[in-house]
Order: sequence, then C-alpha cells, then structure tokens
Amino acid sequence: AQSVSQHNHHVILSEAASLELGCNYSYGGTVNLFWYVQYPGQHLQLLLKYFSGDPLVKGIKGFEAEFIKSKFSFNLRKPSVQWSDTAEYFCAVISNNAGNMLTFGGGTRLMVKP
Amino acid sequence: DAGVIQSPRHEVTEMGQEVTLRCKPISGHDYLFWYRQTMMRGLELLIYFNNNVPIDDSGMPEDRFSAKMPNASFSTLKIQPSEPRDSAVYFCASSLQGIINEQFFGPGTRLTVL
Repeated sequence: AQSVSQHNHHVILSEAASLELGCNYSYGGTVNLFWYVQYPGQHLQLLLKYFSGDPLVKGIKGFEAEFIKSKFSFNLRKPSVQWSDTAEYFCAVISNNAGNMLTFGGGTRLMVKP
Repeated sequence: DAGVIQSPRHEVTEMGQEVTLRCKPISGHDYLFWYRQTMMRGLELLIYFNNNVPIDDSGMPEDRFSAKMPNASFSTLKIQPSEPRDSAVYFCASSLQGIINEQFFGPGTRLTVL
C-alpha cells in the first residue's frame, strides 16, 4: 500500500545538537514533498516543500531537507536545534499515482532540552 | 489576510448530540480540505472541495459525517449523532489553484464527545 513513513516517533535532543528526521514514501510517479511543523497548541505550518529542481531544499528557521529519489526519502535536517524547535514534525507527500491527495506521515515529536 | 478561520476552537458535547464545525478559508483560495487528527491515526484527510464542489469524500468515516460548502467563504463539517470515538482535533485547510500547492491550515477545533 502507498504510505508515508516517519520512523522516529519521539526524538529528544539537547540544544545545539544536530537533527535529522527520516521520511520515506512508497509512491511511484511524480511526487511533491512537504514538511509541516506543529508547535504545541498550534496549527500546522509549512516548513519547506519540494516540487522539482535542486533536491536540497532550504526552509524557514534553518531547516533543510534532501530529496533522494533512489531512496524514496525526504529527510529533514537542522545543524543546531533550539529549545523553540520543540514541536511535532510531519512529512507529507502528494503523488500523481495516488490521486494527488496529500498524505501525511505519522509525525515525529521533537523535544529539545534547554 | 487573517488566515484560515475555524470555529469553535473547543467543543465539548455529549454522545448523540449534533456537532457542527465551521471553517472560513483564505479569501481567493479555491480548494478547501477537512482533516482529523488523533493520536492513534495521525492526520487523516476527510474530504476536500474545489470551487465549493465536493471532489473526494472517501475519507469520511461514516454516514454520520457530512460536509458542505455553500459558498466560497464558508464550509461546515457536521457529525450527527456524535460518538466518543469522534473526539479529535479537526483541521480545515485551504489552498490556491491546485491540490499540489501549499495548504494553509486553520487553528483546528478540539472536539470532545463525552
């Protein structure tokens, strides 16, 4: 079945540590990829997106993600996290092989210790 | 722009009661989406509209759920009768000119059915 997988459900880091959150998808065809963030008690906000072109995408707040087509992956990275990055992060995929519906991964809860 | 507006922000009701959730999309956006977020199932797309017309309601869990979009600036999601397992956060999102474009999310309605 077509799916979006985020293997890390909970991540705990200290401030200044580097972050990498995994995202894998099983769709074929043309994909558009997104990372959304949900801060505690707030709505989802777009961090970054990939449609085409350079597979290394820069987003807001120092986040970046790399699309590796051969690995069906779109991992999110940040070289140095801050306490304010504590949130839940969702990877999402739209594929023309899946009716162009936005499908979310299960989310990764990140806690950054001050 | 005020962004996507949802009301109420919190709703507590008793099993069997009718619940109506409301959404005002960003002005000019032609796509509107309803999502449900639970701990067990994560984020699920329930239904989406294009130019006020329901396009795909395959995510609507049961006939107890219905959604309408009488005009470009207003949509409702109704649950009748409500059940405790409907307790969740319901998000509305809108996007412009295509479902592959960025979706802007509202703050959500936290529904508790006792």
